[in-house]
Amino acid sequence: NAGVTQTPKFRILKIGQSMTLQCAQDMNHNYMYWYRQDPGMGLKLIYYSVGAGITDKGEVPNGYNVSRSTTEDFPLRLELAAPSQTSVYFCATKQGATNEKLFFGSGTQLSVL
Amino acid sequence: AQTVTQSQPEMSVQEAETVTLSCTYDTSESDYYLFWYKQPPSRQMILVIRQEAYKQQNATENRFSVNFQKAAKSFSLKISDSQLGDAAMYFCAIPPESGANNLFFGTGTRLTVIP
Repeated sequence: NAGVTQTPKFRILKIGQSMTLQCAQDMNHNYMYWYRQDPGMGLKLIYYSVGAGITDKGEVPNGYNVSRSTTEDFPLRLELAAPSQTSVYFCATKQGATNEKLFFGSGTQLSVL
Repeated sequence: AQTVTQSQPEMSVQEAETVTLSCTYDTSESDYYLFWYKQPPSRQMILVIRQEAYKQQNATENRFSVNFQKAAKSFSLKISDSQLGDAAMYFCAIPPESGANNLFFGTGTRLTVIP
């Protein structure tokens, strides 16, 4: 049972480059989330989706875009990478109820130089 | 504005001893859940324990228990008989007041376990 799969695990970008962080889940969960974790800090919500075709902004959406064409996949796009986007990115899912835990991927360490 | 405050950036505990990690929060919701997550060096986020706000009884999961004081908006985590594998970052989290149905995290407490 794979759960939540994030790729790649590590990536180094140059300023201005673009990339897509992939997130796939096999639990048929409706809700999917992208968080970023800066060094020594908690997780901040970038974007979320409550189902295929529906996305919305979180706390820190600037510089990112998302899409949700299927239940399984929720890619995060960085269009013009900046050093401020150096962070660890986590994808998470849940079925929907507020008492449910989040299921997390193993994270992507991104450095923008 | 919603806040989650973990006032102890770092804590240490001797192996087999007990340690308590603090968390205070602010929310306008009357019924909600509270969560503690553990993040070991592997980076994986692992749910440790959760508490439902309308339940007076504190949640317990093996060596982990909470001291939940709703009026004070305090949700501390107690780890008994600490083990080396407990060394990690610990995050307190609550659902936001908006409709994202996600979790709003504190800044974390780094726990070191001394052999």
